[in-house]
Amino acid sequence: SAVISQKPSRDICQRGTSLTIQCQVDSQVTMMFWYRQQPGQSLTLIATANQGSEATYESGFVIDKFPISRPNLTFSTLTVSNMSPEDSSIYLCSVERDRLYTEAFFGQGTRLTVV
Amino acid sequence: AQKITQTQPGMFVQEKEAVTLDCTYDTSDQSYGLFWYKQPSSGEMIFLIYQGSYDEQNATEGRYSLNFQKARKSANLVISASQLGDSAMYFCAMREVNYGGATNKLIFGTGTLLAVQP
Repeated sequence: SAVISQKPSRDICQRGTSLTIQCQVDSQVTMMFWYRQQPGQSLTLIATANQGSEATYESGFVIDKFPISRPNLTFSTLTVSNMSPEDSSIYLCSVERDRLYTEAFFGQGTRLTVV
Repeated sequence: AQKITQTQPGMFVQEKEAVTLDCTYDTSDQSYGLFWYKQPSSGEMIFLIYQGSYDEQNATEGRYSLNFQKARKSANLVISASQLGDSAMYFCAMREVNYGGATNKLIFGTGTLLAVQP
C-alpha cells in the first residue's frame, strides 16, 4: 500500500483566512484526489490533481476557493481560501497507483474547524 | 448516474460474531470497481477490500469478505469474528473504470456506523 502523509492533521482557523494542506506520497503516483467530508456526511470529491496540468474540479467547487498544486508525482497541496464556518470539514487526499484502478488509498485527513 | 446506497445507518454486533454491512449500487457501465473503507473516530480512511466487476470470485482479505451479487447490484461486506477495534464507520464506494480519462473518482455511500459490543 502507498504511504501517504498529510499535514496538518488538524487546525482551528479564523474566518477569512486560508489554510494550505499538504499531501506527500512515498512513491510516484499518477493521480491524486482531494475529498471533503462535512460533519456527519460522506465524502465528496473536490478535484483531481494531475502532474503538469490544471486540476479538474467537480461541480460546486471552484479554483478560486480551492486552489490545488501538483508540482511533481509525489506531492500535492490543497488550499482552502477565505474560510467560513461552512468549510469546517475533514479534508482527505487520495492516490491511485495501480493503472487498473484497483487501489485507492487515503491520507490521515485534515480536520479543519473554522471559527 | 452512479449511486451507492447503504441502508443501515447503524449496526450492533457482539464480539466474535459475524456481521454483514449492506451496499447496493447503480451504474450503467459494465466496467467498475467496488471498495469498502473503515473510518475510525480519528478520521482516517482505511482501505479494506476491492471487488472488480469482472472478478468471478468474491474478494477476501483476512476477516473481511465481499459478497458480490452482480445481478442484484449488491456488494455487501462481511466481517467475521468481530473485534472491539472494528467499531467504526464503514463506507462502500464505487468507481467506473475510465482508463483514458481523469474521471476515475470514487462515489461513496452514506456509511454504516458499526458498534461491536463485548
